[in-house]
Amino acid sequence: DAGVTQSPTHLIKTRGQQVTLRCSPKSGHDTVSWYQQALGQGPQFIFQYYEEEERQRGNFPDRFSGHQFPNYSSELNVNALLLGDSALYLCASSPTGLVVKKLFFGSGTQLSVL
Amino acid sequence: AQTVTQSQPEMSVQEAETVTLSCTYDTSESDYYLFWYKQPPSRQMILVIRQEAYKQQNATENRFSVNFQKAAKSFSLKISDSQLGDAAMYFCAYRSASQGSTLGRLYFGRGTQLTVWP
Repeated sequence: DAGVTQSPTHLIKTRGQQVTLRCSPKSGHDTVSWYQQALGQGPQFIFQYYEEEERQRGNFPDRFSGHQFPNYSSELNVNALLLGDSALYLCASSPTGLVVKKLFFGSGTQLSVL
Repeated sequence: AQTVTQSQPEMSVQEAETVTLSCTYDTSESDYYLFWYKQPPSRQMILVIRQEAYKQQNATENRFSVNFQKAAKSFSLKISDSQLGDAAMYFCAYRSASQGSTLGRLYFGRGTQLTVWP
């Protein structure tokens, strides 16, 4: 049983570009959350998707947007990239009603903005 | 917003010895969850231990145990019989129980880098 899968593992972009990161949740999981982990920091919550809708959002600008597909996979889109967007982006998934006990993280996508 | 503070950027321990990592948090809520996550070089966050605030008994998972002091808003992690494989970044995290069981965000501290010496 595969865990949470994220792609790509590494990505290099230039300022002003747009990027899409992808996440496949663990089998049986329907809730997906995204976190940004800057160098030397703890992860910061970006948003959470459930039933294909954004349910909660952290303190991130509208340049950060997402989507959840019927198969529960999710995308994180970042427009007009800034140098400060360089970070590890983590995806986490959980089954309905068990986010406390069954939250699993992927290995992340390392985004570098030059 | 809730805040989680880890005041030890780095800690080290000799193999087979015991080490304690500190965490404090700030909240006005009475019901919540606290977690310790481990992040090895593979970057994947791995749950080490979980504590429900309504439980007075401290959680234990094999060599890992916590000291939960609700009044002091303190949540430390004790690793006994440290092993080389315990070397990683450790994050303390908080989750409100008021969000229900389906949704919910975690608030993380800045982490403590643990080195284990042979």
